[in-house]
Amino acid sequence: AQTVTQSQPEMSVQEAETVTLSCTYDTSESDYYLFWYKQPPSRQMILVIRQEAYKQQNATENRFSVNFQKAAKSFSLKISDSQLGDAAMYFCAYRSASNNNDMRFGAGTRLTVKP
Amino acid sequence: AAGVIQSPRHLIKEKRETATLKCYPIPRHDTVYWYQQGPGQDPQFLISFYEKMQSDKGSIPDRFSAQQFSDYHSELNMSSLELGDSALYFCASSLGGGSSYEQYFGPGTRLTVT
Repeated sequence: AQTVTQSQPEMSVQEAETVTLSCTYDTSESDYYLFWYKQPPSRQMILVIRQEAYKQQNATENRFSVNFQKAAKSFSLKISDSQLGDAAMYFCAYRSASNNNDMRFGAGTRLTVKP
Repeated sequence: AAGVIQSPRHLIKEKRETATLKCYPIPRHDTVYWYQQGPGQDPQFLISFYEKMQSDKGSIPDRFSAQQFSDYHSELNMSSLELGDSALYFCASSLGGGSSYEQYFGPGTRLTVT
């Protein structure tokens, strides 16, 4: 079974600085998708970024980028120029390419942004 | 743009009561997923539907059932509620049942069982 591990329960960053959130996963599959979701205090789940395992190029969405290391099964999220609105719980998620219905989430990392 | 709608947003029930949660997917989305997020926990997949048929089942208790209707909205029925059922219930929808399709999450329904 696939598992997703986020080893940092809490992280803190100064406004305008850069922070990296870690995520590792365990799978025997070669084709899958990885996601980072943001959950602000409103508890809404918001997709931040996604990465297809077959793509070597790291995904980027404005200030958000990932470092995808397939061999190491690592998928970290880098937030550049952190803003107060980035404060939230961040979940790393895995979804098999052969089973769309089973999305596995990590335990989450709570990010605090200090002004 | 229209998003996933869930109702009610908050629900308070007593033990052993029944609750029904509703999910209205994004227009044209034919696949719906239900997740349960307990306090301080990550979301857990419960069940999904594609084109009105159950497509997969996760950690959904036997006391719960769900269905997807002809207009693609879905309802999660929860009976004999227990205190441990208190959680945030998310619905997500996607266009198509394939794994390449994004899941868009609704705002969630917060269920409190007293």
